[in-house]
Amino acid sequence: RKEVEQDPGPFNVPEGATVAFNCTYSNSASQSFFWYRQDCRKEPKLLMSVYSSGNEDGRFTAQLNRASQYISLLIRDSKLSDSATYLCVVGHNDMRFGAGTRLTVKP
Amino acid sequence: ETGVTQSPTHLIKTRGQQVTLRCSSQSGHNTVSWYQQALGQGPQFIFQYYREEENGRGNFPPRFSGLQFPNYSSELNVNALELDDSALYLCSSNPGRGGEETQYFGPGTRLLVL
Repeated sequence: RKEVEQDPGPFNVPEGATVAFNCTYSNSASQSFFWYRQDCRKEPKLLMSVYSSGNEDGRFTAQLNRASQYISLLIRDSKLSDSATYLCVVGHNDMRFGAGTRLTVKP
Repeated sequence: ETGVTQSPTHLIKTRGQQVTLRCSSQSGHNTVSWYQQALGQGPQFIFQYYREEENGRGNFPPRFSGLQFPNYSSELNVNALELDDSALYLCSSNPGRGGEETQYFGPGTRLLVL
């Protein structure tokens, strides 16, 4: 079993759509959780940290369920500029990445 | 910008050769981590250094080795290159000990092994 598993994607959605990404992790001792965004041929960049209480940053909402070892990311009102690969990342002494889910937002 | 730089940006090597990739972290970032990202995959953790000592290692063979220097620079060395080593190599850094904090990534080095 992979340490971090994500929806395989790709997701192709129209502008304005709401899209949800799911992620599960295997190490119950994991301490930190993030969503990173990676544009084509670029390095990953932090989108947001994920907290047990859930957190929101504008159109982006992240949720963490420690009991189920599950993380989610919701993007509302998708923009063309949201097109990227979204990486679920789990930290325990070091960072472990999921394979990423590619999102394409179309006009 | 993250303040993390990597060199070179691109590199072509042949099977069996050795390569050294370099990373310069932000001042004060005591932990540096290296990742390998194959096409279509997420970054895979290679190893991590804290204040010049190896502080964690992923599932990579010993021919992958590293160094961290007091001036916040680091190196990734790969011996006996194989075709499957072709990938984007990313370094990242963070201020604390251990790599579970927010990581600040460099732009990466694209390695092609022929």
